[in-house]
Amino acid sequence: NAGVTQTPKFQVLKTGQSMTLQCAQDMNHNSMYWYRQDPGMGLRLIYYSASEGTTDKGEVPNGYNVSRLNKREFSLRLESAAPSQTSVYFCASSFGGWNTEAFFGQGTRLTVV
Amino acid sequence: AQRVTQPEKLLSVFKGAPVELKCNYSYSGSPELFWYVQYSRQRLQLLLRHISRESIKGFTADLNKGETSFHLKKPFAQEEDSAMYYCALRTGFQKLVFGTGTRLLVSP
Repeated sequence: NAGVTQTPKFQVLKTGQSMTLQCAQDMNHNSMYWYRQDPGMGLRLIYYSASEGTTDKGEVPNGYNVSRLNKREFSLRLESAAPSQTSVYFCASSFGGWNTEAFFGQGTRLTVV
Repeated sequence: AQRVTQPEKLLSVFKGAPVELKCNYSYSGSPELFWYVQYSRQRLQLLLRHISRESIKGFTADLNKGETSFHLKKPFAQEEDSAMYYCALRTGFQKLVFGTGTRLLVSP
């Protein structure tokens, strides 16, 4: 039972470099999410996709782009990484119906130097 | 705008003491509220949801629409309850937002 799978688990980038964080779920979920987790700030929503073909900004979208490639996959792209984007990134998915549970990936620890 | 507030960053109690983790929300519509827990080196996972009115691992949470609160309670804390707890709110547009979290530390 894979659930929500994120790649990579760890990454170090230099300022200005670009990269894409991958997320895939095998639960046939409609909604997918990207969060960043920072000490003292909890989980902040970057982008979400309520259903295949739609994406919307969350609380902290600046510096990021997303692609809902298909129902399974939701990628997060950093076009020009900055030290302020050093964080732990979590992908999550849910069916999206009333009171349905969100399932989380194991996280990607990103350091921008 | 939707907002979830968890006023305590850290809650430290002794084993056997009662625990209450506070959560207040701001949302004009009909809220869906959840508590998620993150144990050390584990994925974030659902603890309970308001619609179920269930007790999980001895924890309960009651939605109080008048006070816009969804506090998490347990009468007798255990050491294995030590974890990071997040309150979460989902809107009708499937936007799921979290509070800043409360770290619960239960000492022997």
